[in-house]
Amino acid sequence: GAGVSQTPSNKVTEKGKYVELRCDPISGHTALYWYRQSLGQGPEFLIYFQGTGAADDSGLPNDRFFAVRPEGSVSTLKIQRTERGDSAVYLCASAPIDRPETQYFGPGTRLLVL
Amino acid sequence: GNSVTQMEGPVTLSEEAFLTINCTYTATGYPSLFWYVQYPGEGLQLLLKATKADDKGSNKGFEATYRKETTSFHLEKGSVQVSDSAVYFCALRDMNSGGYQKVTFGIGTKLQVIP
Repeated sequence: GAGVSQTPSNKVTEKGKYVELRCDPISGHTALYWYRQSLGQGPEFLIYFQGTGAADDSGLPNDRFFAVRPEGSVSTLKIQRTERGDSAVYLCASAPIDRPETQYFGPGTRLLVL
Repeated sequence: GNSVTQMEGPVTLSEEAFLTINCTYTATGYPSLFWYVQYPGEGLQLLLKATKADDKGSNKGFEATYRKETTSFHLEKGSVQVSDSAVYFCALRDMNSGGYQKVTFGIGTKLQVIP
């Protein structure tokens, strides 16, 4: 079946602009995670959704970052007033409710802020 | 807080060589431990896992044993192939932390296997 998909695959923007990154999880997966992976580093947790609600948003670096999942499926990560330090690969993962430890990752969105 | 330390790469091996990638962790509770793999141009995939002390996770010829006494989860394979070339990430999920669904990753170790 279809895996986790993320769009766009690449995004180039200018400092100060607003960006939205989309994640389509595997159908039926209630858990959804966003991570950020900087060059040469492992993925860094940003936020976790269980259904429509953010169960844990402790990884969001500041209030410029926000994520939603209004219908419990697709999620959008929103970054306001982008900064060059936001450049990274943003990863999305989903997991079924009965196996929350088994996360299926998407290919990521590579964000470059000029 | 939780942390994962793994050996820095890159690691370059000849085909059929023995592989060890070291991983140690720090956690406040009783974590589950994972190895993820990222092949070139692909997303992260779960390779294997272990949920309690002395468990051995295994998949595709790779193995790792959860050693609570040494807080380690080293990845091993007896005979690597060129197709094993990838970046390997050690990770933990702490069941007792406030963000109980949060997974903490290491920095990743790049493995290159040459024919």
